[in-house]
Amino acid sequence: QSALTQPASVSGSPGQSITISCTGTSSDVGSYNLVSWYQQHPGKAPKLMIYEGSKRPSGVSNRFSGSKSGNTASLTISGLQAEDEADYYCCSYAGSSTFVFGTGTKVTVL
Amino acid sequence: QLQLQESGPGLVKPSETLSLTCTVSGGSISSSSYYWGWIRQPPGKGLEWIGSIYYSGSTYYNPSLKSRVTISVDTSKNQFSLKLSSVTAADTAVYYCASVPGIAVAFDYWGQGTLVTVSS
Repeated sequence: QSALTQPASVSGSPGQSITISCTGTSSDVGSYNLVSWYQQHPGKAPKLMIYEGSKRPSGVSNRFSGSKSGNTASLTISGLQAEDEADYYCCSYAGSSTFVFGTGTKVTVL
Repeated sequence: QLQLQESGPGLVKPSETLSLTCTVSGGSISSSSYYWGWIRQPPGKGLEWIGSIYYSGSTYYNPSLKSRVTISVDTSKNQFSLKLSSVTAADTAVYYCASVPGIAVAFDYWGQGTLVTVSS
């Protein structure tokens, strides 16, 4: 069970859109539409932003959207805002009630 | 709304057993609507799923930690616990407990996290 691969960093200017990729295998991301995304500000607990690939929990801005193609899931943040600067982690169900997290991506708002 | 709170020693000696408890409020830990998990994050590094426990008592562990991990539930106290044996410095991390709703496969509520340092 290896960690899902994410870019170490992604940056964008306010108002722009950015996309974070999350690459797994046919045993996790590719087999299930059960990828979730978490936002983590420094010193804070992660916050659920997207679940089951593209669903947003109540209270999460519609600027956040998720998708999947093959073994790669993606998180898109549109209309980038200063408050979006944080670390982002993907997580996939990997079968047999197990989970695997991504390596994490630091988002910088320029 | 669920609230989760981790508790336990912040310092553990190498080769000993790390023990943490997560107290759940705002809902019953024995509800079939949720199951429960532990996740950790070494300083400056990413998140790692440790394991989960269902209301039935069934447990599932990260294969890389399976031989050292035990997760259990105490329904009388509305708590679930983590034990990690034979710890080394590599187990130094912030440990989080979290909930997984039955209607969605994701960790929706998290505790604030507790730093456990392994050092003599």
